[in-house]
Amino acid sequence: AQSVSQHNHHVILSEAASLELGCNYSYGGTVNLFWYVQYPGQHLQLLLKYFSGDPLVKGIKGFEAEFIKSKFSFNLRKPSVQWSDTAEYFCAVGDDKIIFGKGTRLHILP
Amino acid sequence: GAVVSQHPSWVICKSGTSVKIECRSLDFQATTMFWYRQFPKQSLMLMATSNEGSKATYEQGVEKDKFLINHASLTLSTLTVTSAHPEDSSFYICSARVTGGGTEAFFGQGTRLTVV
Repeated sequence: AQSVSQHNHHVILSEAASLELGCNYSYGGTVNLFWYVQYPGQHLQLLLKYFSGDPLVKGIKGFEAEFIKSKFSFNLRKPSVQWSDTAEYFCAVGDDKIIFGKGTRLHILP
Repeated sequence: GAVVSQHPSWVICKSGTSVKIECRSLDFQATTMFWYRQFPKQSLMLMATSNEGSKATYEQGVEKDKFLINHASLTLSTLTVTSAHPEDSSFYICSARVTGGGTEAFFGQGTRLTVV
């Protein structure tokens, strides 16, 4: 069965701290991986995606993620977070249809 | 980027009535649209996949007679919650995939349904 597991439900960091949000997946088909962000009161927005090729993917706003096939992981990273990164982050996997993890609520302290 | 619009953004209805939610792709054609439900502080749960001109494919546990989906054109899909009950209160989100554009999907802003 397809599933996505996000390890951290709620993360609190100070500005300029480094961020890593964990994501593991279980999926039987072609793996397409995504990270979405939902800022308070706004739509889901795509941060980055991996379809094939270089397993280190760079997205918008300084985010990146690394696909490690042997670990079934697609962790999201940012070297130095800002207050404006406060949001909920969703890892997702899919081909025909996209399945979401439970989300990680990130709170950045100014 | 591609824009997906949902209408209404929020709706309150009485128990037993039906409510229709629209999902439109504004600047692209979408053969496939998806409907999700998001419970408070939880993830998006895929309800169904809607393909233009054919019947929707529902996920396990989703009542097809309660959540009617129609995808009559390449830019519009509708979700009708029939005979709504308070437990149907939730945040409903649609997404649309660009025809021939790969796997990436674009999301609407969501519709908050409250059944009283």
